[in-house]
Amino acid sequence: KNEVEQSPQNLTAQEGEFITINCSYSVGISALHWLQQHPGGGIVSLFMLSSGKKKHGRLIATINIQEKHSSLHITASHPRDSAVYICAVLSNTGNQFYFGTGTSLTVIP
Amino acid sequence: ETGVTQSPTHLIKTRGQQVTLRCSSQSGHNTVSWYQQALGQGPQFIFQYYREEENGRGNFPPRFSGLQFPNYSSELNVNALELDDSALYLCASSPRWGGANVLTFGAGSRLTVL
Repeated sequence: KNEVEQSPQNLTAQEGEFITINCSYSVGISALHWLQQHPGGGIVSLFMLSSGKKKHGRLIATINIQEKHSSLHITASHPRDSAVYICAVLSNTGNQFYFGTGTSLTVIP
Repeated sequence: ETGVTQSPTHLIKTRGQQVTLRCSSQSGHNTVSWYQQALGQGPQFIFQYYREEENGRGNFPPRFSGLQFPNYSSELNVNALELDDSALYLCASSPRWGGANVLTFGAGSRLTVL
């Protein structure tokens, strides 16, 4: 059983669609990260959350600590958003990271 | 400010050999963590270093070891390489240990074990 579960595993959307990626976790955490990974491996940290909601451009991330759930939303999706999105949590001991297996997003023009 | 730099970017080794991967952390960051990402999988946490000491470790055998230097750069060493060690190895740095910190990732070192 994975400590972090993401859904869906794969997602194809038309340009302009609103996209939601979900993340559930089973461990106590001090922070949750949403990461973006493009082909070739480079990872970019999109958000770090410990509560509430954050917004950056067309990206919105929310977290519900009580329900151990986070969502990443992309508004007005664009083909350049095509990437793998990974949810990662930092345990509340501060010294262990757990990762989801990622959601592969393809946005079609 | 400089980002996280990893070297080498690609390398090929044979089973039983040893490998050293290097990571230069972002300026101002004193914590470095290493991850293994097999093809098509999410990253797996290997370990984390803070002030030159390992202070967190995932489910990896002792042949995976590391170092952090006074300038906060780091090395990942893998002994007795196995075919399953073929993966992308990612390094990330953060401003301090513990709590909620932004991670800055390097581009990774892709290791192939033949």
